[in-house]
Amino acid sequence: SQQGEEDPQALSIQEGENATMNCSYKTSINNLQWYRQNSGRGLVHLILIRSNEREKHSGRLRVTLDTSKKSSSLLITASRAADTASYFCATDDVTSGTYKYIFGTGTRLKVLA
Amino acid sequence: ETGVTQTPRHLVMGMTNKKSLKCEQHLGHNAMYWYKQSAKKPLELMFVYSLEERVENNSVPSRFSPECPNSSHLFLHLHTLQPEDSALYLCASSQGAGGGTGELFFGEGSRLTVL
Repeated sequence: SQQGEEDPQALSIQEGENATMNCSYKTSINNLQWYRQNSGRGLVHLILIRSNEREKHSGRLRVTLDTSKKSSSLLITASRAADTASYFCATDDVTSGTYKYIFGTGTRLKVLA
Repeated sequence: ETGVTQTPRHLVMGMTNKKSLKCEQHLGHNAMYWYKQSAKKPLELMFVYSLEERVENNSVPSRFSPECPNSSHLFLHLHTLQPEDSALYLCASSQGAGGGTGELFFGEGSRLTVL
């Protein structure tokens, strides 16, 4: 079954606005990660948040994690046209071991200049 | 440049062909992965190798055959594929065994088209 599901599936905003993407998952996790993918390219790691953390920042990125709701959000502040990409959350599964990272379907973000 | 190199970047093959995808990582990692990315579907984990041993085989059809000769190289051998196998195949590595952050480093992918 699919572990992570991102919401919304697609998001279009103006440059300078903030973009928020959400991820829900089903099982207990050790950590949750967010990745970015430019069209037809490989995925690039953005940020990792551990199950005992509630919020983490990296530059213009802010990630929150609510393990009681099994959900996470990624906020990109002051978006730029270069942020246009697909964003994926990935979770491990404490019952499956540390190697089984499961990805969602992703949120396609388009930032209009 | 992520330190993970995949070749070829594009491959077109007929259903009766045999071909291989290659992945090489220069990061000193001890775990390597194959993922399949099809349009409008989540990334599908196919295989995981840790310290050159296969630790995950996610119910992948036998027409896909992985090989990990050492911790830096990973192959995906393809034979008698179906058109629905057309997809972007992504290789990744991580410092998995014995700890590490769990961060995956991906290659740029091999775009496979099966005619």
